[in-house]
Amino acid sequence: SQQGEEDPQALSIQEGENATMNCSYKTSINNLQWYRQNSGRGLVHLILIRSNEREKHSGRLRVTLDTSKKSSSLLITASRAADTASYFCATVPNSGGYQKVTFGTGTKLQVIP
Amino acid sequence: DGGITQSPKYLFRKEGQNVTLSCEQNLNHDAMYWYRQDPGQGLRLIYYSQIVNDFQKGDIAEGYSVSREKKESFPLTVTSAQKNPTAFYLCASSRRVQKPSTDTQYFGPGTRLTVL
Repeated sequence: SQQGEEDPQALSIQEGENATMNCSYKTSINNLQWYRQNSGRGLVHLILIRSNEREKHSGRLRVTLDTSKKSSSLLITASRAADTASYFCATVPNSGGYQKVTFGTGTKLQVIP
Repeated sequence: DGGITQSPKYLFRKEGQNVTLSCEQNLNHDAMYWYRQDPGQGLRLIYYSQIVNDFQKGDIAEGYSVSREKKESFPLTVTSAQKNPTAFYLCASSRRVQKPSTDTQYFGPGTRLTVL
């Protein structure tokens, strides 16, 4: 199964509300990344959090990482209709040698104007 | 979508035919990747290349082939041996291959392949 599993699979909120997405993973990681994908397009990198970091901010985005629970969350504050997209977490294992990025199944976010 | 282009955007193929998807980047990145995305699923790695003239199989390489003759280009061939090729194909690149990787991957806009 995928290293990263997002929850919920789909989320629908009103514009202005906050959106929270969660990602759980199984093995020890070096870092975890969040990406966004608009429908039918490529992915865009949002934020990277390293295993020794607990929280990171970028604009309206807040990412937390709990390595003891092997989980991360992405919070989008004051959502806008333009935030409608799918959001993926991606993990990089903490092992020697080249380790590929593994993507989860994504959370589909709909922000209703 | 950064400096990565994929062509064509939509591709239709008859069963039994090979087809090649193009991926070009002008970011001077060493590493390039091919992913497959099926509806409601995440990305699965097909092949990746860390440097020119070198590439490695990913998780689902069967029925696919690649080449990396130039740093800028990483074409993917979907062969007739691929049993279920209809999918959305994404190409990506990253600056270099670190161990482990902390580099951002930059994605192209994707090619939607449909087998008729």
